[in-house]
Amino acid sequence: EVQLVESGGGLVQPGGSLRLSCAASGFTFSSYAMHWVRQAPGKGLEYVSAISSNGGSTYYANSVKGRFTISRDNSKNTLYLQMGSLRAEDMAVYYCARTSPTGGSDYWGQGTLVTVSS
Amino acid sequence: EIVMTQSPATLSVSPGERATLSCRASQSVSSNLAWYQQKPGQAPRLLIYGASTRATGIPARFSGSGSGTEFTLTISSLQSEDFAVYYCQQYNNWPLYTFGQGTKLEIK
Repeated sequence: EVQLVESGGGLVQPGGSLRLSCAASGFTFSSYAMHWVRQAPGKGLEYVSAISSNGGSTYYANSVKGRFTISRDNSKNTLYLQMGSLRAEDMAVYYCARTSPTGGSDYWGQGTLVTVSS
Repeated sequence: EIVMTQSPATLSVSPGERATLSCRASQSVSSNLAWYQQKPGQAPRLLIYGASTRATGIPARFSGSGSGTEFTLTISSLQSEDFAVYYCQQYNNWPLYTFGQGTKLEIK
């Protein structure tokens, strides 16, 4: 069974940092590109960052470029999102999602909530 | 960036009736279009990919159509569990995916 389990969310002050993790199981993690997607309270879905299967290519939405870093450890079947210089507008549930070879994102984690507040 | 626009923002339909949701892309995405369902407190679930192919385990009452810039998700006979928010997403160029703003399907 494919599973994605996020962790690392929590309360952080504006300007602070946080690292999210996404532990993958039930599939060959190193064969799939991955995304981080976020959803602010009561709002829609926004792609934040993506990484290729081998980690050689990364992508960031303009809203997080220069502040967030995506990475992965294929030996540990884990995806990461290092978030820095956090702002109130970064407050959201962050999901990791597997890129389907046939299109879209076919598996999602349950999400982890990031709250940015003083 | 490709902008996805969904309509209507809210759709009120009675159980057992048909629901039709629309999605428009600001430029052609060919058939690189997916639909997702999201219920409160849950992660999105992939319903349709390739504009018209149902994902594994998705009931046949869900169908997708369209190509280029105009797409439709149809739910043929609404069940109680279908009331949720639906998002379209284009994936024409990895990783520059974008979502529509969502359509809330509510009980009439």
